[in-house]
Amino acid sequence: EVQLVESGGGLVQPGGSLRLSCAASGFTFSGHWMHWVRQAPGKGLVWVSHIYTDGSATTYADSVKGRFTISRDNAKNTLYLQMNSLRAEDTAVYYCARGSGLGFHDWGQGTLVTVSS
Amino acid sequence: QTVVTQEPSFSVSPGGTVTLTCGLSSGSVSSSYYPSWYQQTPGQAPRTLIYSTNTRSFGVPDRFSGSILGNKAALTITGAQADDESNYYCVLYMGSDINWVFGGGTKLTVL
Repeated sequence: EVQLVESGGGLVQPGGSLRLSCAASGFTFSGHWMHWVRQAPGKGLVWVSHIYTDGSATTYADSVKGRFTISRDNAKNTLYLQMNSLRAEDTAVYYCARGSGLGFHDWGQGTLVTVSS
Repeated sequence: QTVVTQEPSFSVSPGGTVTLTCGLSSGSVSSSYYPSWYQQTPGQAPRTLIYSTNTRSFGVPDRFSGSILGNKAALTITGAQADDESNYYCVLYMGSDINWVFGGGTKLTVL
């Protein structure tokens, strides 16, 4: 059974940093692109970032480019999202998702990030 | 700016058929955008229904089907059931510059 378990969310002040993790199991982690998708309270889904299977390439939404960094450790089956210079508009539930067919195949349960003073 | 459009809301009667669409503010959607569809109930993580236009995710009943209809991607639900009442999101792959863009979602009511 595929499992994606996010952690690392919490309350952070504007300008602060946070690192999210996503522990993967039940599939060959190193064989799949991985993504972060977020959802602000009461709003829709927004794609944030993606990383190739071996970490050799990454892409970002314009809204987080230069502030967020996606990475992965295939030996630990774990995906990360380092978030710096956080803003109030970054407040959201952050989901990790397994890529498939240029879409998203499996989702974690999400971790809530709240940026507030 | 690329905007992916979805109907804000839709209603269907139990047992009925409904088609939700996913378009572009400018241009047509084709299979080259690899449209995919997700179901989400409030407070829950999204569930993948369809990817690559018309491939059903594992365990998704064949009541759900994806296609291209005219210039839009479409999700058709046949034999609608009460627990189909959810928010439905589409996403399009826009290429390596813009990457993935979600539509705003459709709130489906079954009544």
